Amino acid sequence: EIVLTQSPGTLSLSPGERATLSCRASQSVSSSNLAWYQQKPGQAPRLLIYGASSRATGIPDRFSGSGSGTDFTLTISRLEPEDFAVYYCQQYDSSPWTFGQGTKVEIK
Amino acid sequence: QVQLQESGPGLVKPSETLSLICAVSGYSISSGYYWGWIRQAPGKGLEWIGSIYHSGSTYGNPSLKSRVTLSVDTSKNQFSLKLSSVTAADTAVYYCARQGISAAPWVFGYWGQGTLVTVSS
Repeated sequence: EIVLTQSPGTLSLSPGERATLSCRASQSVSSSNLAWYQQKPGQAPRLLIYGASSRATGIPDRFSGSGSGTDFTLTISRLEPEDFAVYYCQQYDSSPWTFGQGTKVEIK
Repeated sequence: QVQLQESGPGLVKPSETLSLICAVSGYSISSGYYWGWIRQAPGKGLEWIGSIYHSGSTYGNPSLKSRVTLSVDTSKNQFSLKLSSVTAADTAVYYCARQGISAAPWVFGYWGQGTLVTVSS
């Protein structure tokens, strides 16, 4: 199975700052079959990005995804108060579908 | 608007079978897409359990496959999960989700709110 490793584990930033989250796959993820999700406490995950770089419906343009192969990045250009949450990457290239362990973006 | 809602016992005894139902509204299961289960142990990450199509075709995570049974009831627009021989390690929030959006058939595009299942005697 494809193992996804996210870094850093925790990112401490202030509102208005830029957040850069990394997701590295243990083997190449073809066709950029990688997604990002946001999860707030007590809530289900919400799809943010699919296809490595396409925003899901209703997702603000401050969220962007990039990367290919084994290295992927989620960038939040200017953090809003509602963006402080845990972010997960997920590959849907080969079953079993797997998720990274998450990056927590917390208020500094 | 696609909505999913999990239901089932919140407490299951060790060695017994965990049973959950996911009721879907706003979309007919028979119209397509796979429908999946994902779980999250307390304070941990997400683990995909398995998915089912309206035809009954299933596929699942090998780490759990021998204990997992998935089924679908298109007449009630719902699908179900059974996990046998549970232990404390199966304590988690269980989510049901629709696997797919129009542009990407395999992402988890719609999620239920989740239900906590505790395995304890």
